[in-house]
Amino acid sequence: EDQVTQSPEALRLQEGESSSLNCSYTVSGLRGLFWYRQDPGKGPEFLFTLYSAGEEKEKERLKATLTKKESFLHITAPKPEDSATYLCAVQAGGSEKLVFGKGMKLTVNP
Amino acid sequence: DGGITQSPKYLFRKEGQNVTLSCEQNLNHDAMYWYRQDPGQGLRLIYYSQIVNDFQKGDIAEGYSVSREKKESFPLTVTSAQKNPTAFYLCASSIDGLSTEAFFGQGTRLTVV
Repeated sequence: EDQVTQSPEALRLQEGESSSLNCSYTVSGLRGLFWYRQDPGKGPEFLFTLYSAGEEKEKERLKATLTKKESFLHITAPKPEDSATYLCAVQAGGSEKLVFGKGMKLTVNP
Repeated sequence: DGGITQSPKYLFRKEGQNVTLSCEQNLNHDAMYWYRQDPGQGLRLIYYSQIVNDFQKGDIAEGYSVSREKKESFPLTVTSAQKNPTAFYLCASSIDGLSTEAFFGQGTRLTVV
């Protein structure tokens, strides 16, 4: 069974304090790994897709990396507006479905 | 502007009633999805459709029904058979459902009163 585990469940940072969020996965042949950001009461907003181990993608203060077992979302010098829940999802080869983790709530204090 | 529109944003239902949640997209995407989100849980797939007039059950389809009569529309009906319908419902679409990113609507919060 395909599974996604995100850690930590919640994280509090001071503005400017860099950190990383972890997404561990088990899947039968990874087709893609997806990162989303979700604000309270809103739908998830797409951030990144990673397809193969060693791949990296960046967007502003965010950088996503991928290994054969996990993905990291690195947040460099975060700002309060980066506060949100970050979701990780995987799609297995031969499947049309995404399997989501429970999410990680990030709070960045000014 | 292209996007996915869900309506209504808030919906209240009496026990025993069926309700239908609307989802419309103008992105010309083939694949559409319905997810349910509960506090402390990941998104769970209810139904998905890759082409018009065809759809498949997801992981938690019991008590729900869908239709896909038009490419741009994928309404979800929450029936009285759904034992715990209070949740945040999210509709999404993707180009073809195959390793392409899904784009989400803003969600409908359903509350049973």
